[in-house]
Amino acid sequence: GNSVTQMEGPVTLSEEAFLTINCTYTATGYPSLFWYVQYPGEGLQLLLKATKADDKGSNKGFEATYRKETTSFHLEKGSVQVSDSAVYFCALRRLSNTGNQFYFGTGTSLTVIP
Amino acid sequence: DAGVIQSPRHEVTEMGQEVTLRCKPISGHNSLFWYRQTMMRGLELLIYFNNNVPIDDSGMPEDRFSAKMPNASFSTLKIQPSEPRDSAVYFCASSETSATITDTQYFGPGTRLTVL
Repeated sequence: GNSVTQMEGPVTLSEEAFLTINCTYTATGYPSLFWYVQYPGEGLQLLLKATKADDKGSNKGFEATYRKETTSFHLEKGSVQVSDSAVYFCALRRLSNTGNQFYFGTGTSLTVIP
Repeated sequence: DAGVIQSPRHEVTEMGQEVTLRCKPISGHNSLFWYRQTMMRGLELLIYFNNNVPIDDSGMPEDRFSAKMPNASFSTLKIQPSEPRDSAVYFCASSETSATITDTQYFGPGTRLTVL
């Protein structure tokens, strides 16, 4: 089947620390991969995406590379800020004959302290 | 575009009452999703429509839940009768389904439901 597994939280980092949130997936075919971010009290927002193997998605200093050989899409940022405190969701999208199928991870809570 | 619009933003009701949540997807999007988010279970897909037709409702908890999409610009999620364990944030999301477009889901701000 199709699924997404991401590292358990919560994660607490000091400002300017390096961030990695691991995400691995299981899927048939060639899925697209996404990272969404949810700030307190808000809905999920797309952070970045990648549509094929070796693609790198990037936005706001965050990066993730679609690794087909390791079925991974780890989220990284070189220097986190307090404003990055949020919940991060890894997701995959697979197009089937009935349309879109989206699978979300359980979310990883990040708190950045000054 | 105004994005995905959900109403109400907050709903407090008593057990046994009917609750109706509303969603207006982004214009031009032909896929619509209803999710429920709780601390215990995280983000759960309840039902998914494509071109106004329900494709996958396997996530709908039980018969008390029903969803409709009478046209491309409106969907409802109804709970009747509501129970305290239905308390959660309910999100609506929409996307454009195509074999050639990367179909990002766009989420609404959510409806926070509290059933007393």
